Amino acid sequence: ETGVTQSPTHLIKTRGQQVTLRCSSQSGHNTVSWYQQALGQGPQFIFQYYREEENGRGNFPPRFSGLQFPNYSSELNVNALELDDSALYLCASSSRDSYNSPLHFGNGTRLTVT
Amino acid sequence: GEDVEQSLFLSVREGDSSVINCTYTDSSSTYLYWYKQEPGAGLQLLTYIFSNMDMKQDQRLTVLLNKKDKHLSLRIADTQTGDSAIYFCAESIGNAGKSTFGDGTTLTVKP
Repeated sequence: ETGVTQSPTHLIKTRGQQVTLRCSSQSGHNTVSWYQQALGQGPQFIFQYYREEENGRGNFPPRFSGLQFPNYSSELNVNALELDDSALYLCASSSRDSYNSPLHFGNGTRLTVT
Repeated sequence: GEDVEQSLFLSVREGDSSVINCTYTDSSSTYLYWYKQEPGAGLQLLTYIFSNMDMKQDQRLTVLLNKKDKHLSLRIADTQTGDSAIYFCAESIGNAGKSTFGDGTTLTVKP
């Protein structure tokens, strides 16, 4: 059973640029959630994808968008990067087939915006 | 909106028990979770409790839930240096993927 994998592990971008982060879900999981974890804080829910559609969104602007693919892998896209977007971005997968299926997290992508 | 609060730091001696506390505001919460995060890693689910339970024990871990006071605690028995990490409390209304997290408690275990 493969776990959740994220790429890249680290990324440095300039303010105003766009970035795409990738996530491969754990085998058998059909739901993916993305979280932003700023330094010294807990993860903040960005959005969740199920069956390739957005299934709930946290308090993040539209320049944060996502995709889920038929193989359940996922992307997080952030446009017009701001300095405050610097954070650890975590992907977590679960299965909607069982109620309250636990989350399995990847190790995250550390994004630095300069 | 939902809010989850934790104390920021806890320091214990190896072999002692650790108790990490958490309060939450959403009375609709159905599941409460404890996660562990080690440096450079994602979050690892340690245990969770359904809101109609008062206590759950899993080896060295004991979770206590006081639903009336919206207070959750995690007790780690015989704490080891490998338990040093950041511990996050989180709550959800049935969908773990949409959890609300606290800001974490950094546990330091001294030899």
